Amino acid sequence: KNQVEQSPQSLIILEGKNCTLQCNYTVSPFSNLRWYKQDTGRGPVSLTIMTFSENTKSNGRYTATLDADTKQSSLHITASQLSDSASYICVVSAANAGNMLTFGGGTRLMVKP
Amino acid sequence: AAGVIQSPRHLIKEKRETATLKCYPIPRHDTVYWYQQGPGQDPQFLISFYEKMQSDKGSIPDRFSAQQFSDYHSELNMSSLELGDSALYFCASSLGRESYEQYFGPGTRLTVT
Repeated sequence: KNQVEQSPQSLIILEGKNCTLQCNYTVSPFSNLRWYKQDTGRGPVSLTIMTFSENTKSNGRYTATLDADTKQSSLHITASQLSDSASYICVVSAANAGNMLTFGGGTRLMVKP
Repeated sequence: AAGVIQSPRHLIKEKRETATLKCYPIPRHDTVYWYQQGPGQDPQFLISFYEKMQSDKGSIPDRFSAQQFSDYHSELNMSSLELGDSALYFCASSLGRESYEQYFGPGTRLTVT
């Protein structure tokens, strides 16, 4: 069964600090992995998307890594801001699934002043 | 840039009523996906359409139906509503059935009382 596990479930950090969120997946055959930011009650917004051959991708203060061998990904947030408070969702797409996505449970990040 | 539009944004219905949610994809996008996200839960894939034909089917209840029209907008019809149908319903669109990127709409919050 395709699964995506994220850790930690929740995280509280002080403004200006860095943090790293983890994602482990068992989706096979792997097509791509995305990180989304989702504010409460809003649609997910794409941060990064990586294919099998990519192991690092940055989007401003967000840097995602992918290790396709160990099936792990991380999202590193640098110099956090209050507006970074949201859920961060790891989503993996299987190559033979018509682009259906398997969602992780998300990490709820709260940035405090 | 134009984004995915969903209407209505909020909807309140009573049990056993029907509801219709609409999704207008990004211009030129030909693929539409529907997701259901219950309170505190991961988004669950319901159904997708490519070029006005059903592409993939997920955990969509038999009480729900959907279609994609000639202008590529899609409607999700929900009948015999139950309390458990209360959720955020997201629509996403992409260019091509095998496209990496799905762009999400803001969601429709359905409350069944």
